[in-house]
Amino acid sequence: GDSVTQMEGPVTLSEEAFLTINCTYTATGYPSLFWYVQYPGEGLQLLLKATKADDKGSNKGFEATYRKETTSFHLEKGSVQVSDSAVYFCALSPLEGGNQFYFGTGTSLTVIP
Amino acid sequence: EPEVTQTPSHQVTQMGQEVILRCVPISNHLYFYWYRQILGQKVEFLVSFYNNEISEKSEIFDDQFSVERPDGSNFTLKIRSTKLEDSAMYFCASSLTKPQHFGDGTRLSIL
Repeated sequence: GDSVTQMEGPVTLSEEAFLTINCTYTATGYPSLFWYVQYPGEGLQLLLKATKADDKGSNKGFEATYRKETTSFHLEKGSVQVSDSAVYFCALSPLEGGNQFYFGTGTSLTVIP
Repeated sequence: EPEVTQTPSHQVTQMGQEVILRCVPISNHLYFYWYRQILGQKVEFLVSFYNNEISEKSEIFDDQFSVERPDGSNFTLKIRSTKLEDSAMYFCASSLTKPQHFGDGTRLSIL
């Protein structure tokens, strides 16, 4: 079945460090891929998305490229800030069938000044 | 920007009691969803709702659960007889196509 595997956390970085959170997926066909962010005490917010192979999603300095050959959608940011501290979820939505999302387990990021 | 709103933010209920979690989806959206997140675990799909009926549901969504769209704006999740293992954060989401937009969640604590 469809699933998402995410790099386990927690991750602690110093401000301005480079961030990578790995995400790989298993799916039939060509799913859409998403990164959601959950700030402390808040709900899930869409961070970025990609709907087909080689698409790059980007938002707020974060980027992720849909790589079909490696079935990956790794999240990157060149210089993290304290305000980026949150839990990050990779998710996929199958191309066919229903509209449910499959989420990874989430990766907690703490950025220290 | 339009938002999905959920009430209450925190619900504490005795085991065996019924609980209703409420959601107001984004007004022009057509698909509605409930997910749950047990503490420290992944977000799990419960049910999707379209055109006034359930379109998909997971194994978690057993006979104790039901959903309703009682009017043009609300979307509710009812748990008939709560169990300790129902303690979780429950997220409502809505969409027109993809992606889904999520509310801030209701934390359900079963005592």
